[in-house]
Amino acid sequence: DIQMTQSPSSLSASVGDRVTITCQASQDINKNLNWYQQKAGKAPELLIYDTSNLKTGVPSRFSGSGSGTVFTFTVSSLQPEDIATYYCQHYDNLPSYTFGQGTTLEIK
Amino acid sequence: EVQLVESGGGLVKPGGSLRLSCAASGFGFSGTWMSWVRQAPGKGLEWVGRMKSKASGGTIDCGAPVKGRFTMSRDDEKNTLYLQMNSLKTEDTAVYYCVAQTRAGTFDFWGQGALVTVSS
Repeated sequence: DIQMTQSPSSLSASVGDRVTITCQASQDINKNLNWYQQKAGKAPELLIYDTSNLKTGVPSRFSGSGSGTVFTFTVSSLQPEDIATYYCQHYDNLPSYTFGQGTTLEIK
Repeated sequence: EVQLVESGGGLVKPGGSLRLSCAASGFGFSGTWMSWVRQAPGKGLEWVGRMKSKASGGTIDCGAPVKGRFTMSRDDEKNTLYLQMNSLKTEDTAVYYCVAQTRAGTFDFWGQGALVTVSS
């Protein structure tokens, strides 16, 4: 099974900062990598699919990149409403859907 | 507007059974692949299982932790998805989310979740 390792597990940053989260796969997963945002007490929401495609309606300050085994999720200018836990997620044709452990983002 | 509303959660003893329902509206349910994703208290997300649309064969696939104990079904006339959970274990305690998939690999729309507590 492919393992997804997400880092850091938590992150504290100031409003306006650029924030980056990394997700590493245990083997090459092409670009089959998605990112979700989960605010406290709420269901997760899809933000980015297939590594770098922004879901319709998601603010452009969110972006994703990468290929192979290393992927990054970036918030270009952190806003107070971005406080949440972020998860990466991989999919293959077994089928298997694997989530990273999550990164909790806080405001400094 | 896409809406997914789960129901049927509650407290059940180890070894017991429970069935969750998910009422869908606002999209073409019959043509949509559906999944269940769960989240144990204070923990991360875990995929439970997926059911393809009937047009795609209606195939059901479940993750290893629940294989052989959980199954899914759907009633396209009622726009409802079901999760039948048998032989429940304490480690099955979680919020269970019903999820609509517009692509095979993504969880696009989520319900608000139903809490299942397995405890004696």
